[in-house]
Amino acid sequence: NAGVMQNPRHLVRRRGQEARLRCSPMKGHSHVYWYRQLPEEGLKFMVYLQKENIIDESGMPKERFSAEFPKEGPSILRIQQVVRGDSAAYFCASSPLTSGSTNEQFFGPGTRLTVL
Amino acid sequence: AQSVAQPEDQVNVAEGNPLTVKCTYSVSGNPYLFWYVQYPNRGLQFLLKYITGDNLVKGSYGFEAEFNKSQTSFHLKKPSALVSDSALYFCAVRDDTGRRALTFGSGTRLQVQP
Repeated sequence: NAGVMQNPRHLVRRRGQEARLRCSPMKGHSHVYWYRQLPEEGLKFMVYLQKENIIDESGMPKERFSAEFPKEGPSILRIQQVVRGDSAAYFCASSPLTSGSTNEQFFGPGTRLTVL
Repeated sequence: AQSVAQPEDQVNVAEGNPLTVKCTYSVSGNPYLFWYVQYPNRGLQFLLKYITGDNLVKGSYGFEAEFNKSQTSFHLKKPSALVSDSALYFCAVRDDTGRRALTFGSGTRLQVQP
């Protein structure tokens, strides 16, 4: 059973360009979460999605950032007009659909975004 | 608002000695607590969780953690450290309201010396 897949692993963009980060959850998982990790810091929650729905986007910056999890295909975190402060590691996590909410989240290897 | 504190940036321990990585938390309601480990340039790997029940939780790779409600702590422990345990350890918390976002501590780097 493959784990959470993220691509690309490394992404370099120039200021003003767009960054698109992809996440495929573990098989059988229908919940996806995105976190951002700045250097030497812990992970900060950004957004929680289920298929075709954004459930909690309280951690998303108000501008330039968006996320989706379509019915088919991976979840996408999109950053428009990137700035140097967007340089970070972006981690995706997934968890299964269950009636409770106690399941741990399984993390992907991350995408390291560098903005030049 | 919920928060996690990991008061030590780094913990050094000799191989074979017991290790403790500290974590305290603040949350409204009942806490769900997690420990994750991160190796260089890798994602986070789940170690263990406390949801309810016994205060001593056993997890992967010989790690365990003790939930202490009165001290709002969830320290990670291992009786005998290995060099391969050297990594970055994160404590995380979530409340029991159904909101699934995890709040992470800033991490503790564990260095096990041979």
